[in-house]
Amino acid sequence: DTGVSQNPRHKITKRGQNVTFRCDPISEHNRLYWYRQTLGQGPEFLTYFQNEAQLEKSRLLSDRFSAERPKGSFSTLEIQRTEQGDSAMYLCASSLFGDSNQPQHFGDGTRLSIL
Amino acid sequence: DAKTTQPTSMDCAEGRAANLPCNHSTISGNEYVYWYRQIHSQGPQYIIHGLKNNETNEMASLIITEDRKSSTLILPHATLRDTAVYYCIVRDYGGATNKLIFGTGTLLAVQP
Repeated sequence: DTGVSQNPRHKITKRGQNVTFRCDPISEHNRLYWYRQTLGQGPEFLTYFQNEAQLEKSRLLSDRFSAERPKGSFSTLEIQRTEQGDSAMYLCASSLFGDSNQPQHFGDGTRLSIL
Repeated sequence: DAKTTQPTSMDCAEGRAANLPCNHSTISGNEYVYWYRQIHSQGPQYIIHGLKNNETNEMASLIITEDRKSSTLILPHATLRDTAVYYCIVRDYGGATNKLIFGTGTLLAVQP
């Protein structure tokens, strides 16, 4: 049973650069979520997809952030013109639609460090 | 904002039961209680969830009070590997909002 996979695990980049992260959900899961976690805090919701449709976006998701899930399978999260405040752990989760109380299962995240 | 209140930290001796409390006094009838934990440098791991009945699985037991305003997660025989931050979350069943709203959780330190 493969869980949620995220790549890369770590990303170090200079301020102003663009970065892209990938998430591969559990294969039969059609809901996919992105969260961000800063040091000492719990994860904060960014956005979620049902199949390829992006159904909800947090106000944390500024116009520099874009997420896609083009074929309803894997998803990418891109941050353009990175800023120091973007340094965080970016977490992806997936769940099965059909029964709303199905739990979300998380990957181990991508840790982004902005120099 | 998170709808739950948890102690910041707790200690437990290895081999003993760990009882982690959570207050959710404003919980509504359609909201489930979920528990996750997060070990350092890993993503949150789902543990258990329940609506109003007590629940048990291979990892833990969840005890929800009759008025549903609080709950307790029980790890029956804590090991050093159970050291983690434990999050209690309430989530609407069937609602439009599917996100999980995390608080800062309880840091459980299992002592040898």
